[in-house]
Amino acid sequence: TQLLEQSPQFLSIQEGENLTVYCNSSSVFSSLQWYRQEPGEGPVLLVTVVTGGEVKKLKRLTFQFGDARKDSSLHITAAQPGDTGLYLCAANTGGFKTIFGAGTRLFVKA
Amino acid sequence: NAGVTQTPKFQVLKTGQSMTLQCAQDMNHNSMYWYRQDPGMGLRLIYYSASEGTTDKGEVPNGYNVSRLNKREFSLRLESAAPSQTSVYFCASSSQGTSKNIQYFGAGTRLSVL
Repeated sequence: TQLLEQSPQFLSIQEGENLTVYCNSSSVFSSLQWYRQEPGEGPVLLVTVVTGGEVKKLKRLTFQFGDARKDSSLHITAAQPGDTGLYLCAANTGGFKTIFGAGTRLFVKA
Repeated sequence: NAGVTQTPKFQVLKTGQSMTLQCAQDMNHNSMYWYRQDPGMGLRLIYYSASEGTTDKGEVPNGYNVSRLNKREFSLRLESAAPSQTSVYFCASSSQGTSKNIQYFGAGTRLSVL
């Protein structure tokens, strides 16, 4: 069974702090995606990483795909209250099937 | 810009009752999906429809049936609801498969089975 393990499960920080969340697996994936989900809403795609070692930046968010394509990290610089939400990593397991991690719930205090 | 629309937003059922969750997308996508989200478990795929006229089982199909009514609509039916089906249900769509195509999600249906 392919699994995506995310850590930490919960993170509460002050505005302006930096943070990193992780997504790990024992399986190799062709691509990995990060989503953000706000309360009462569905997940919204932030980024897809495809190449081992790839780094993508989205404003203050930096996404990295591990060299072996088994893991990924999301780093947020100078977090803001608007970054609060549930961050999910996801990976395609073939064709039309995607698995999701359980998520990291981030709370940024003003 | 409606995207993916799910109805109802909330539902409470008694054990054994049946209901159908509705989903419609206006992006002319070929593929549609139903997921459930439970605390601490992430989203799990129930069923998907690769294209109009086809449906396939996902990771957790037991207790559910689906219908791809047309290209826009994909419904999920619970024939005899059980407390274990208490969850938040999300419908999603993508232009093709999920490997490189973005999945767009609806806002979810929050279902409680008593």
